[in-house]
This record gives sequence, structure tokens and C-alpha cells, in this order.
Amino acid sequence: QKEVEQDPGPLSVPEGAIVSLNCTYSNSAFQYFMWYRQYSRKGPELLMYTYSSGNKEDGRFTAQVDKSSKYISLFIRDSQPSDSATYLCAMSGANDYKLSFGAGTTVTVRA
Amino acid sequence: DVKVTQSSRYLVKRTGEKVFLECVQDMDHENMFWYRQDPGLGLRLIYFSYDVKMKEKGDIPEGYSVSREKKERFSLILESASTNQTSMYLCASSPYRQGWGAEAFFGQGTRLTVV
Repeated sequence: QKEVEQDPGPLSVPEGAIVSLNCTYSNSAFQYFMWYRQYSRKGPELLMYTYSSGNKEDGRFTAQVDKSSKYISLFIRDSQPSDSATYLCAMSGANDYKLSFGAGTTVTVRA
Repeated sequence: DVKVTQSSRYLVKRTGEKVFLECVQDMDHENMFWYRQDPGLGLRLIYFSYDVKMKEKGDIPEGYSVSREKKERFSLILESASTNQTSMYLCASSPYRQGWGAEAFFGQGTRLTVV
């Protein structure tokens, strides 16, 4: 079993829809949770960064962490064609240098 | 803006060649990383460096070595390239802080093809 599981999709939604992405993990020591966006043939860019459990909102993006269920989510409201990308979840423990990544979910927002 | 710059976007090398991938960051970050990314496998850590001349193996170090002679520069070396090293290579850097791996900033990637 992988340490971080993420459904690779692909996910296709109409413009304006809510995109819901999630990851599950097995390592209870993870405390830092991140979402990266990666456009085709580019490097990943950091979207959201959260510590421990709870919600964090940034514009149209909301990240949720449920440590009791070992489950994290990313929601994109009012999705736009420019949101079409691969979204990677990543996480680490307090004293880890290493990030553990999910495989990424490919999202297409149709105009 | 943090800039992590990889020397090449695309490379084609022959089996058995020694290959150098260069990465430079301009934000004085202590930590630098080399990952490879393959379809369905996500990002896998090859090597990590937390200081000049310091390095640690990641999850898949076999067939690779690294060099960090200056804080801003981290090089990945494929000693004898093989076809199974065809991949997207991503360099990243992050500042020292509790959690270390948080807020990693990535370069644009080098697509390496070994023929």
C-alpha cells in the first residue's frame, strides 16, 4: 500500500462547477499538508499549505484536513478552463525533510 | 518570486553516457532536492541536500549521484545513463524551518530521454 493514495482521474467538469479532489494517507505522523498545481510540461507550483487539521481558504480554493480520518481535500469553486491541470497532494511530518506525494489527479475544465 | 532554474528543458542522451543536470536557486534556501516524475508513480525523491557538501539518499538513489559545492547550486549526475532513467526530472528548494519539506519550490523540469 502506498503511503499517500490519490485517484489519478481524469476528472472532467464544466466551467463554473465545483472541483473536489482528495487524498488519503497512512502515516499518522504527517502534520504538514500541501496541494500543488502542475500544468502540462511545467514544474509543480504550491497552491495551498496547511498545518494539522482544519480548513484553509484562499480565493476560490479551500483545503481541508481531517487527521482523524487521514483524509485531505481540495475544493475549487467556480472552476475556470485555466484550472485545467494536474493537482498533486503532498505531506510531511514535523521533522521530515522529505515530502510524500500522491500520484496526482488530472483535471479538465470544459468551457 | 522564488526562482529555481534548471539548465535544460529537454535532453536526449545515449545509453552509457554520463549526464549532468544542473539546478540553481536564487532564494538562499538551505534545502535542495532532486525528484523524478513518471506517469502513475508520482514524484519520487532521488537525493536531498540540507547544506553545502551535505547530501542524503532519497527513495531511489541507485544510478544517480549529486554534487552541491555552492549553496545555490545542486547537480544531479547519471553516472551511466540507461533507458529506464528516461523521465521528467524536477529540482526543488525549500527554506530551513520546522517540517523541512514544507513549501518546496520547483523548477520547470528537465525531460530526459535516454536512447
